Amino acid sequence: DTAVSQTPKYLVTQMGNDKSIKCEQNLGHDTMYWYKQDSKKFLKIMFSYNNKELIINETVPNRFSPKSPDKAHLNLHINSLELGDSAVYFCASSQDRVSYEQYFGPGTRLTVT
Amino acid sequence: GQSLEQPSEVTAVEGAIVQINCTYQTSGFYGLSWYQQHDGGAPTFLSYNGLDGLEETGRFSSFLSRSDSYGYLLLQELQMKDSASYFCAVREAGSGAGSYQLTFGKGTKLSVIP
Repeated sequence: DTAVSQTPKYLVTQMGNDKSIKCEQNLGHDTMYWYKQDSKKFLKIMFSYNNKELIINETVPNRFSPKSPDKAHLNLHINSLELGDSAVYFCASSQDRVSYEQYFGPGTRLTVT
Repeated sequence: GQSLEQPSEVTAVEGAIVQINCTYQTSGFYGLSWYQQHDGGAPTFLSYNGLDGLEETGRFSSFLSRSDSYGYLLLQELQMKDSASYFCAVREAGSGAGSYQLTFGKGTKLSVIP
């Protein structure tokens, strides 16, 4: 039983391309997140959705656009990929917007060449 | 702005006790969490302190002193499988109304040696 799943696990692409990462949670949680972890393992929040509504939008280039078709899914689309976008992207979920425990997906390792 | 400080690396012997400290500066503090991440894996939740004092969960304990802006994670009876990175994370008000977000420290890489 996978609680939070992401696809793909690995993504290798060239600069300038557009790509998407998908996330699904089967925990019945209301809130989902996207994090970026860089090569130094620094983990930073990018976006959060609560019941399909965007509630956190950190300082992220507008080439990154999240979409939540329903509360169990949160996708991340990235336009015009740059070398600096190479990182591991983690999706996470929590029971609701005030819960302190977050459940992370396995991550998507994005490599831009 | 917010900042968290924790040691970058710690090495300890199997069976021993290790303490990983975390100091923080933030404008709106609601609690301190700890997450464990094995190489190539996802962060997993270990503990949360919303109030001062000690929280114990099995071999792991976490402590918070809000007046000192300080917390620590204590790992007892270390096992080889405890080798991982440990992140403290401050829970603070998010940019959206009624939301909270986690701001993570840079992590402490714990190596457990025989």
